[in-house]
Amino acid sequence: GNSVTQMEGPVTLSEEAFLTINCTYTATGYPSLFWYVQYPGEGLQLLLKATKADDKGSNKGFEATYRKETTSFHLEKGSVQVSDSAVYFCALVISNFGNEKLTFGTGTRLTIIP
Amino acid sequence: DAGVIQSPRHEVTEMGQEVTLRCKPISGHDYLFWYRQTMMRGLELLIYFNNNVPIDDSGMPEDRFSAKMPNASFSTLKIQPSEPRDSAVYFCASSPLPLYEQYFGPGTRLTVT
Repeated sequence: GNSVTQMEGPVTLSEEAFLTINCTYTATGYPSLFWYVQYPGEGLQLLLKATKADDKGSNKGFEATYRKETTSFHLEKGSVQVSDSAVYFCALVISNFGNEKLTFGTGTRLTIIP
Repeated sequence: DAGVIQSPRHEVTEMGQEVTLRCKPISGHDYLFWYRQTMMRGLELLIYFNNNVPIDDSGMPEDRFSAKMPNASFSTLKIQPSEPRDSAVYFCASSPLPLYEQYFGPGTRLTVT
């Protein structure tokens, strides 16, 4: 089956530090990959996505590259801010002739301290 | 557009009572998803609909849970009877196409005492 494995949290960093949150996947076929972010008290929202191998998704200073050879989609940001504190979810979806549900990782809680 | 609308935002009820959660998806979105989020189990997909038809309900935990989508602009998730272990945040999400992003509502925090 399809699955997503995320780096265990929680992760605590100082402001302006470099961020990496690891994500690897297992899928039968060619998935599209997503990073969602959940701020306190809110629903999830899409942060970035990539739909094919070697694509790079980017948004708000975050980046992730779809690596088919390593089945990875690691999230990176060069300089984090306090406002980046949230829970981050890696996810995939594969079109399977009528069954296209999103498979989420367990989430990684990120806290940025001033 | 107002985004995905969920009501109520908070619900506190006693064990054994019926609970109904409501969702209005974004207009034009053919897919609607119901999720449950807890600390122990993370984010779980309960059921999803395509054009008002349930496609996959394999995540519905037991017969106490039921979901309907009578039209393109409204869906309900019902728990009858409710139990303390049903306490969680329930999210509704909608999407225009299956491989596109999902737009989540703010969630309903359910507490069953």
